[in-house]
Amino acid sequence: AQTVTQSQPEMSVQEAETVTLSCTYDTSESDYYLFWYKQPPSRQMILVIRQEAYKQQNATENRFSVNFQKAAKSFSLKISDSQLGDAAMYFCAYRRKAGNMLTFGGGTRLMVKP
Amino acid sequence: NAGVTQTPKFQVLKTGQSMTLQCAQDMNHNSMYWYRQDPGMGLRLIYYSASEGTTDKGEVPNGYNVSRLNKREFSLRLESAAPSQTSVYFCASSEAGQARTEAFFGQGTRLTVV
Repeated sequence: AQTVTQSQPEMSVQEAETVTLSCTYDTSESDYYLFWYKQPPSRQMILVIRQEAYKQQNATENRFSVNFQKAAKSFSLKISDSQLGDAAMYFCAYRRKAGNMLTFGGGTRLMVKP
Repeated sequence: NAGVTQTPKFQVLKTGQSMTLQCAQDMNHNSMYWYRQDPGMGLRLIYYSASEGTTDKGEVPNGYNVSRLNKREFSLRLESAAPSQTSVYFCASSEAGQARTEAFFGQGTRLTVV
């Protein structure tokens, strides 16, 4: 079974600074998808970024980028120029290529200090 | 532009009471899911339905039943609520068989069992 681990229950960052959230996963599959979801206080789950395992290039979406290390099974999220609106829970998630179900990590609560 | 709609948003039950959480999606997705979210544990899959007419157990199915009423609707039933089922419940949907598919989530139901 796949497992996803987020080792940082809480992180804080100063507004306009950069922060990196960690995620590791365990799988025997060679092709799969990885996601970062953001959950603000409204509880809504919002997709931030996705990475396809067969692509070596790291995904980027505006201020959000990932560092995908397939051999190390590591998938970290970097948030640049942090904004107050980035404060939220962040979840790393894994999906097999052939499946549809997501396996989530335990989450990291990000606080942004003005 | 509704996406995934869950009802109710909040509910308090007494131990032993039953209730059904309703979920509907308007994106014509084949696959639907029920997750529960508990502090430090991320989201865990309760049941899923890969397509209309099929349902399967996820990671934590005990104490729950589901019905895929039609392609749009997927309900979750608690027959005899227990305090351990106090949680936030999320319904989600996705398109099966699409490589880049992401899951879309409802706004969640906060359930408290006293």
